[in-house]
Amino acid sequence: GAVVSQHPSWVICKSGTSVKIECRSLDFQATTMFWYRQFPKQSLMLMATSNEGSKATYEQGVEKDKFLINHASLTLSTLTVTSAHPEDSSFYICSARGTSGRIADTQYFGPGTRLTVL
Amino acid sequence: AQSVTQLDSQVPVFEEAPVELRCNYSSSVSVYLFWYVQYPNQGLQLLLKYLSGSTLVKGINGFEAEFNKSQTSFHLKKPSVHISDTAEYFCAVNPGGYNKLIFGAGTRLAVHP
Repeated sequence: GAVVSQHPSWVICKSGTSVKIECRSLDFQATTMFWYRQFPKQSLMLMATSNEGSKATYEQGVEKDKFLINHASLTLSTLTVTSAHPEDSSFYICSARGTSGRIADTQYFGPGTRLTVL
Repeated sequence: AQSVTQLDSQVPVFEEAPVELRCNYSSSVSVYLFWYVQYPNQGLQLLLKYLSGSTLVKGINGFEAEFNKSQTSFHLKKPSVHISDTAEYFCAVNPGGYNKLIFGAGTRLAVHP
């Protein structure tokens, strides 16, 4: 149980275009989802916290107009990288936390999305 | 402020040898503690977690960790490693009452034949 998927697993796009990444909790409802960015050989950097039905909370230094987050349902959150540039190339990972029970205190992670901007 | 320190960036070990990956944290409130494993080009998989109760926590793949409140540590151990355990391991804390996970820098476990 507690499976999180991401789509796509990798994407290559041209500079200036927008890219949408989906994060889904497959077998549980997630009130809260998180978006992380990971650079090579580094730890995860939290970008934003997404709560279902409300605006995301962005970490300091993360441009909310560039990284649009939508959490429209208890099983789906999306991250849209707008007007992507090569410096946005990275590994993006989402996680989801359950609404109750034993999964309420734990973040379960998706497999990640590799974004390459040319 | 809360923080997590993973004392070793890399740990090389031979197959079937025991291993310990060290994790210390600082927090002024009670915490939940986690170990995650990341294989190349993949997301994070939960190995084990400590929320309350017994300080010795057993996880998947033969790993276990012990919460030591006085030393603010949560070291990960395995008595006999396999080649397939080669991966990046992250220690994380969730300070009580907060949403965020605070990650350590990670420890690269390299198991050699």
